[in-house]
Amino acid sequence: AQSVTQPDIHITVSEGASLELRCNYSYGATPYLFWYVQSPGQGLQLLLKYFSGDTLVQGIKGFEAEFKRSQSSFNLRKPSVHWSDAAEYFCATYGNQFYFGTGTSLTVIP
Amino acid sequence: NAGVTQTPKFQVLKTGQSMTLQCAQDMNHEYMSWYRQDPGMGLRLIHYSVGAGITDQGEVPNGYNVSRSTTEDFPLRLLSAAPSQTSVYFCASRSLEGLAGNQQFFGPGTRLTVL
Repeated sequence: AQSVTQPDIHITVSEGASLELRCNYSYGATPYLFWYVQSPGQGLQLLLKYFSGDTLVQGIKGFEAEFKRSQSSFNLRKPSVHWSDAAEYFCATYGNQFYFGTGTSLTVIP
Repeated sequence: NAGVTQTPKFQVLKTGQSMTLQCAQDMNHEYMSWYRQDPGMGLRLIHYSVGAGITDQGEVPNGYNVSRSTTEDFPLRLLSAAPSQTSVYFCASRSLEGLAGNQQFFGPGTRLTVL
């Protein structure tokens, strides 16, 4: 069955520092992969998605993610974190339905 | 264009009570779904629908009923609430046209507490 794993429950970074959130997927073929962000008390917002083609995907709010088949990973990156990026981040994959990871909570310290 | 709307935003129930969580979308999406979000568990699919009159179970359907009489509405019913159903519930919709895995649009959520 398809699944995604987010190994980091919580990450703290300083404002202005770079960020990488990890996501590993389990699927034999090329998966559909997504990153969502959830601000406190809000619903989920799509940051970016990967279906095929270029393995480096650009998203909104300055985020990008790289699909690495050899590592079964789809890590989310941002070169310089802003305080407003503090939120919960979910990786997801799609087969006949969406499967979400357990989320990574990001804290940004000044 | 309101997107996906959910009511109520907050609800407190006593064990055994029933209630309906409302979800509506104005994007003419065929696919609608309900998730529950619990700490450390991510989002888990409860029920989904691929069109009016068609519903199916997701990962955690027990204790919940759904129906889809119109394209726009997809209510979630708790027939006899239990404390284990304390959670945040999200409704989502997406189009089935084009690429599989089209973007899902999420509602703002309903925070339910069962005492």
